[in-house]
Amino acid sequence: DGGITQSPKYLFRKEGQNVTLSCEQNLNHDAMYWYRQDPGQGLRLIYYSQIVNDFQKGDIAEGYSVSREKKESFPLTVTSAQKNPTAFYLCASAQTGLGAYEQYFGPGTRLTVT
Amino acid sequence: KQEVTQIPAALSVPEGENLVLNCSFTDSAIYNLQWFRQDPGKGLTSLLLIQSSQREQTSGRLNASLDKSSGRSTLYIAASQPGDSATYLCAVGDYKLSFGAGTTVTVRA
Repeated sequence: DGGITQSPKYLFRKEGQNVTLSCEQNLNHDAMYWYRQDPGQGLRLIYYSQIVNDFQKGDIAEGYSVSREKKESFPLTVTSAQKNPTAFYLCASAQTGLGAYEQYFGPGTRLTVT
Repeated sequence: KQEVTQIPAALSVPEGENLVLNCSFTDSAIYNLQWFRQDPGKGLTSLLLIQSSQREQTSGRLNASLDKSSGRSTLYIAASQPGDSATYLCAVGDYKLSFGAGTTVTVRA
């Protein structure tokens, strides 16, 4: 059953702690993405990766870090430098190259930092 | 920078009525336009993707049109049902997407 998994579904952390969100896909897609969603706003791109061992900053990368050591995995670390980390985080993947770049999303992780 | 707008932010219709959802974008040099559905607390589900060379796409009761020259796309949902209640988002771009804030639809039984 192909798809994107994100874990955990809910995450609670104290201010000042780093936290890592997991994203795994078995769609054999080259590209993976991390978005942040806040109430009443559209999704904002944090980081994306078009190929293993390479990634680029999106619109709101400050306070976040990523790695792409395997094609199927793209973990996101929310560091203590992120000023407003409480949000809903969504991971997506897409097949790049010739084609339509249709993005598919995981179920999301809701992070609450107090 | 591409700006994507969805108006209205919320919409309530009686069951059976056709839904018309609007999306506008500022830069007509787009590669794709994708419509998504999001249920509360869930991820996004891709509904339709329109490539820049296409004018529309259809899937069941859903039909999406694209007019690049005017920077607009419209998602039509025929004969709405309570199960269509959700937030609908449009996004434009290529390997990177710019998203609108969405239209939250309520279909009253």
